[in-house]
Amino acid sequence: GESVGLHLPTLSVQEGDNSIINCAYSNSASDYFIWYKQESGKGPQFIIDIRSNMDKRQGQRVTVLLNKTVKHLSLQIAATQPGDSAVYFCAEKNNNNDMRFGAGTRLTVKP
Amino acid sequence: NAGVTQTPKFQVLKTGQSMTLQCAQDMNHNSMYWYRQDPGMGLRLIYYSASEGTTDKGEVPNGYNVSRLNKREFSLRLESAAPSQTSVYFCASSEGRRGETQYFGPGTRLLVL
Repeated sequence: GESVGLHLPTLSVQEGDNSIINCAYSNSASDYFIWYKQESGKGPQFIIDIRSNMDKRQGQRVTVLLNKTVKHLSLQIAATQPGDSAVYFCAEKNNNNDMRFGAGTRLTVKP
Repeated sequence: NAGVTQTPKFQVLKTGQSMTLQCAQDMNHNSMYWYRQDPGMGLRLIYYSASEGTTDKGEVPNGYNVSRLNKREFSLRLESAAPSQTSVYFCASSEGRRGETQYFGPGTRLLVL
């Protein structure tokens, strides 16, 4: 999940396993969501997005699930690889067209 | 295409010094943004520009000024740096209005002593 503290939540998985990273968003009027990947020392990189009229969207090895009832977003990474190690954070676009970013979850993939 | 580029990559300033962070994009995007990222926190918007010649304040604009020099370039200026401005600064751009997918530069790491 997301954290507003100094320490990010962490997820450690074995190479080849599936990873699930969660995000709770705050605004029930938000209608667009994005997952970003940020490797150490680099800028955030777009992974996948989803609009509020959908509950699931798939990309290459990644799936985003949206549960509007409980305001929850998840990112699933299939067959996680060492190159997937990074901080992942979600972003939501609210009804003022403002994009709000979560602090992120640190994913570590063990070989 | 280089995407979004930022200079410098790293800078150390003394309290009270000024500097300008440069950002350029080659994607012909209309909107550009400046964010700061602090440990354990999400990106916070400092300023954004919806088009050439227009700028608007974001969530944390105090202590900063911006210039949208042309469609490609958007600079961020610290007139009198303070230790609280120690952070990593990211520039981003998007094709259209705010809220669309934003593409980020590699960041500028700023340390104010």
